[in-house]
Amino acid sequence: GAGVSQSPSNKVTEKGKDVELRCDPISGHTALYWYRQSLGQGLEFLIYFQGNSAPDKSGLPSDRFSAERTGGSVSTLTIQRTQQEDSAVYLCASSLEVAGVNEQYFGPGTRLTVT
Amino acid sequence: GEDVEQSLFLSVREGDSSVINCTYTDSSSTYLYWYKQEPGAGLQLLTYIFSNMDMKQDQRLTVLLNKKDKHLSLRIADTQTGDSAIYFCAESLGGSARQLTFGSGTQLTVLP
Repeated sequence: GAGVSQSPSNKVTEKGKDVELRCDPISGHTALYWYRQSLGQGLEFLIYFQGNSAPDKSGLPSDRFSAERTGGSVSTLTIQRTQQEDSAVYLCASSLEVAGVNEQYFGPGTRLTVT
Repeated sequence: GEDVEQSLFLSVREGDSSVINCTYTDSSSTYLYWYKQEPGAGLQLLTYIFSNMDMKQDQRLTVLLNKKDKHLSLRIADTQTGDSAIYFCAESLGGSARQLTFGSGTQLTVLP
């Protein structure tokens, strides 16, 4: 079956511009996560959506970052007024929200380069 | 707060066993995970272990958990060149905190 997909795969933008990154989770997965992976670093949690509940935004690094999830499926991560330190790979993951083990399935990521 | 640490690099010869180590600090971790990331790809879940277990085996993979020392390891038997990748350990705390906390990853290089 189809896995998690993300678009674009690569994005180069100028400092100060806004960008939108898209994630299509696995069909039927109710939970969706955004992480950021900077060069040589582990994954940094950004935001978590679960069904119709209010998202957990505790990982967003600044108010320039926001995310939406429409209809419980597709999600968009928006970065306003991009800065060079925003350059990273942005990874999306989805999972079935069941008690116990949280098996998250990751997309291939969007590599963002801010020049 | 939670913190997960791993050594950055490991090199082994093809056919040998690889052991990748991880330490974590949060004793309330419920599950611990191992993910594999190949170049240019997303993360692939390899295996996980529940915190009340001390060992789990899955084909060539063996996970050992020492909860007292907060130490997790992944052993890959008969390591192959296709196992070359970055391996991440991660923990989840359960309850309402559903995100995973990842280590910085261990780059495994398998030499012919």
